[in-house]
Amino acid sequence: GAVVSQHPSWVICKSGTSVKIECRSLDFQATTMFWYRQFPKQSLMLMATSNEGSKATYEQGVEKDKFLINHASLTLSTLTVTSAHPEDSSFYICSARESLSGGLSYEQYFGPGTRLTVT
Amino acid sequence: KNQVEQSPQSLIILEGKNCTLQCNYTVSPFSNLRWYKQDTGRGPVSLTIMTFSENTKSNGRYTATLDADTKQSSLHITASQLSDSASYICVVRGDSSYKLIFGSGTRLLVRP
Repeated sequence: GAVVSQHPSWVICKSGTSVKIECRSLDFQATTMFWYRQFPKQSLMLMATSNEGSKATYEQGVEKDKFLINHASLTLSTLTVTSAHPEDSSFYICSARESLSGGLSYEQYFGPGTRLTVT
Repeated sequence: KNQVEQSPQSLIILEGKNCTLQCNYTVSPFSNLRWYKQDTGRGPVSLTIMTFSENTKSNGRYTATLDADTKQSSLHITASQLSDSASYICVVRGDSSYKLIFGSGTRLLVRP
């Protein structure tokens, strides 16, 4: 089956620093990747949608200058949290939508998530 | 407004028992409905995905039903195991958008 990996699985950083999270589709190509944030006991909230080779589309209320997204290849998207603050501490999950010849699959595959703690 | 509501919010059952989780949605037009299992500290894992024309789909001890007329779905877990303890999330995709609309999930705890 399709596998999506994230790295790191957890990270602790100091307030004011930046941290990068990688999302990779291991055995398929993903034209579109999604970034979600999940706070404790809450469901996933879509932050942004990234398409390979173009600028990401951010959801309302998500600061694009704070959460930098790069989708440079069909298998890799990165999320950089710039000038992190304690309120950015959360569980970040990516998902990837498989690109099929003749059209797009409607299936999204989720990564295992990255736990970010900002001290 | 497109919404997905799940009930109950949390559930505790004894190992070996069955349970049923509910999902109501107002998403229209509708493309498909998915049930995911999310273990604590992990990403969601797909259990079932159903389109408009499907009424039921099984995946091992998990059976999902869909009534597109009433916009209701259920996930039935048979002979629960301790490893079934997780959050179960109902997710709906509208017809004209790639975006997924997430329910808030049901937290299931299976006790020995």
